[in-house]
Amino acid sequence: GAGVSQTPSNKVTEKGKYVELRCDPISGHTALYWYRQSLGQGPEFLIYFQGTGAADDSGLPNDRFFAVRPEGSVSTLKIQRTERGDSAVYLCASSSSGTDTQYFGPGTRLTVL
Amino acid sequence: GESVGLHLPTLSVQEGDNSIINCAYSNSASDYFIWYKQESGKGPQFIIDIRSNMDKRQGQRVTVLLNKTVKHLSLQIAATQPGDSAVYFCAEKTGANNLFFGTGTRLTVIP
Repeated sequence: GAGVSQTPSNKVTEKGKYVELRCDPISGHTALYWYRQSLGQGPEFLIYFQGTGAADDSGLPNDRFFAVRPEGSVSTLKIQRTERGDSAVYLCASSSSGTDTQYFGPGTRLTVL
Repeated sequence: GESVGLHLPTLSVQEGDNSIINCAYSNSASDYFIWYKQESGKGPQFIIDIRSNMDKRQGQRVTVLLNKTVKHLSLQIAATQPGDSAVYFCAEKTGANNLFFGTGTRLTVIP
């Protein structure tokens, strides 16, 4: 079956611009997670959705970062006033209800010039 | 605090040999552990997981061992193949829903 998909695969933007990154989870998965991975590091948690609501956003670094999941399926991570330090691979994962195994998408590589 | 660390950042093995990748964790409350394989330019790929009420779990060519006494996790890959070359991450989950990852171990298989 189809796995987690993310678009775009690559995004290059200029400092100060606004970007949106999209995640399409595995069909039927109620839980959705966003992580950020810097070069040579493991993924770092950003935010977790259970259904439509953000159940845990403790990993968001500041208020420039925001995520939504209005219909409980597709999610969008939004970054305002991008900074060069936001450059990283943004990963999305999903899991089915009652399970812990998270399945990751291919990620979006964000480069802020 | 919560942290997951790896003993070795790189590991090179001969094709056909067995590989062992180690991981230390610090949070005794962690109840779930998972191993991922990540190839260059791709997202982490699930390999195997284990709950804290187990000591060992086997999959296809892979075995995960959990030693809660010393807070140690290992991934064993049997008959390592060139396609196994990648970065391997262990991650732990406590009561929260997110996973805490280490920095990874790069496995290189020598043909």
